[in-house]
Amino acid sequence: SQQGEEDPQALSIQEGENATMNCSYKTSINNLQWYRQNSGRGLVHLILIRSNEREKHSGRLRVTLDTSKKSSSLLITASRAADTASYFCATDKGGDSSYKLIFGSGTRLLVRP
Amino acid sequence: DAGITQSPRHKVTETGTPVTLRCHQTENHRYMYWYRQDPGHGLRLIHYSYGVKDTDKGEVSDGYSVSRSKTEDFLLTLESATSSQTSVYFCAISGNEGPNTEAFFGQGTRLTVV
Repeated sequence: SQQGEEDPQALSIQEGENATMNCSYKTSINNLQWYRQNSGRGLVHLILIRSNEREKHSGRLRVTLDTSKKSSSLLITASRAADTASYFCATDKGGDSSYKLIFGSGTRLLVRP
Repeated sequence: DAGITQSPRHKVTETGTPVTLRCHQTENHRYMYWYRQDPGHGLRLIHYSYGVKDTDKGEVSDGYSVSRSKTEDFLLTLESATSSQTSVYFCAISGNEGPNTEAFFGQGTRLTVV
């Protein structure tokens, strides 16, 4: 089973709207990362939030982390057609498996012009 | 872009043949990872390395082996390819903090086993 699971699996919104994606994970973590993947390409890092942080911003991106609920959310504000991509959360697994970087199954975002 | 190159980019091979995929980096990063990506499964970790000759299994390691004889190269071998190993394979690298820092990805290798 995967460490991180994104929700929803797919999201379709109009340009200018906000997009929110959620990630849940199972074990304790040291940090959580979000990545973006354009069709047919490799993943690109967006933001990293550490377990002692609750919120982080980067441009139009806002990430929250709730370690008590083992969940994170990624908010993209004022979306653009160019934001159309798949978005993945990734975590280490903490403890003895902390070398591993484990990804979820992703959310496919479609931003309609 | 981080200096990470996967080769080949595309390969078609027959069931039962061995296949080796190469990941080459010019960043001198300590950690290297191999993932496979399949529809509905996201990225699944196959093997990873935390230094030269230091490797460990990921989530889906059966049927795969790896080697890292020098910092810049991480090889993934399918010992006897099966149709279930048809997938897109991604290599990733990260620095001394491993999963606690940004990872950089290659462009992927599309492998088809017929």
